[in-house]
Amino acid sequence: AQSVTQLGSHVSVSEGALVLLRCNYSSSVPPYLFWYVQYPNQGLQLLLKYTTGATLVKGINGFEAEFKKSETSFHLTKPSAHMSDAAEYFCAVSLIRDSSYKLIFGSGTRLLVRP
Amino acid sequence: GAGVSQSPSNKVTEKGKDVELRCDPISGHTALYWYRQSLGQGLEFLIYFQGNSAPDKSGLPSDRFSAERTGGSVSTLTIQRTQQEDSAVYLCASSPPGLAGGTDTQYFGPGTRLTVL
Repeated sequence: AQSVTQLGSHVSVSEGALVLLRCNYSSSVPPYLFWYVQYPNQGLQLLLKYTTGATLVKGINGFEAEFKKSETSFHLTKPSAHMSDAAEYFCAVSLIRDSSYKLIFGSGTRLLVRP
Repeated sequence: GAGVSQSPSNKVTEKGKDVELRCDPISGHTALYWYRQSLGQGLEFLIYFQGNSAPDKSGLPSDRFSAERTGGSVSTLTIQRTQQEDSAVYLCASSPPGLAGGTDTQYFGPGTRLTVL
């Protein structure tokens, strides 16, 4: 069965510092992996996704993630944090069963950016 | 273009009452999903609609929950005899018809915050 683990419910960084949000997955088949961001009182917005092909995926707002099969990881990074990056971030894996598709989400990581 | 819209944005109800939550997906999107976001359980899948196929209801937590999708577009999530543990944000998402299922981006609405007193 597919599952996702996000290490760290809260991550705090200084403005301009590297952002690293960790995500590990469990999947019996090649996974499709997603990162979503949620700003306060808003829905989820896709940052990036990995389906097949290049393992380094670039997304919006300067974020990128690398799929590492050997480590079952899909960590999200950004070289330099901005105050506007403060939000909650969710890693997800796509579960496909009997022609039904759904996202299985991690528990989320709240990113705090200090001035 | 217009995104996924949900109404109402907030709903306060008394325990035991029925509630209906509405979702308008992006035009042309054939797949529609409902998720629930709560403090204790995180983001949980509830139900999936795809075209005229039978919906996947495997995530509905009890028979008090039901959902319909009329005309392949608008969907309504109904919770009967609401309980306090139903308090959560209910998110709707839609995705376009894709060539490879499971890879399509799901576009989320802003959610309906349900509070059961």
